[in-house]
Amino acid sequence: QKEVEQNSGPLSVPEGAIASLNCTYSDRVSQSFFWYRQYSGKSPELIMSIYSNGDKEDGRFTAQLNKASQYVSLLIRDSQPSDSATYLCAVEGSGGYNKLIFGAGTRLAVHP
Amino acid sequence: DTGVSQDPRHKITKRGQNVTFRCDPISEHNRLYWYRQTLGQGPEFLTYFQNEAQLEKSRLLSNRFSAERPKGSFSTLEIQRTEQGDSAMYLCASSPGTGIINEKLFFGSGTQLSVL
Repeated sequence: QKEVEQNSGPLSVPEGAIASLNCTYSDRVSQSFFWYRQYSGKSPELIMSIYSNGDKEDGRFTAQLNKASQYVSLLIRDSQPSDSATYLCAVEGSGGYNKLIFGAGTRLAVHP
Repeated sequence: DTGVSQDPRHKITKRGQNVTFRCDPISEHNRLYWYRQTLGQGPEFLTYFQNEAQLEKSRLLSNRFSAERPKGSFSTLEIQRTEQGDSAMYLCASSPGTGIINEKLFFGSGTQLSVL
């Protein structure tokens, strides 16, 4: 079993819709969780971090965390074509120095 | 531009050759990380430096790979006797190292290695 699992997609949504991206992780002691966006040929950029159960909202993005279910999700409201990218879920690994374990990513395509 | 520089951007080499990549982190950042990413996969952790000390190296990293960070500034990643399976994007990232949780990692643009 991989440490961080994501559906590879592609997830295709129409412009203006809500895109829902999901991630599960295997290490129960993980405390910090991140969503990165990666455009083709570019490096990952951080869009959300979350470490408490519940929801965290930032603009059109909402991250949701359920530690009991070992589940993290990212909702993108009012999806735009510019949101088309690969979304990487990352979990902080052991060691306490922000080492990140990444999932394989979900490719999102927002069509006009 | 995140402030993390990597050089070169692209490297094409023949199997069996040695290659070296350079990373210049954001100047005040104490922590430096190397990741490797292949097509369709997420970045895979390779190694981590706190200042000049290499504190963790992935078990997946063969002994053909070596990394240094002299004086805690720039870092180099060397791959000896390259193999076609080494073809990947090599990403460097840095973070301040203040000890807080959720510290943001800043990624460089990466070095794309192609081994022929």
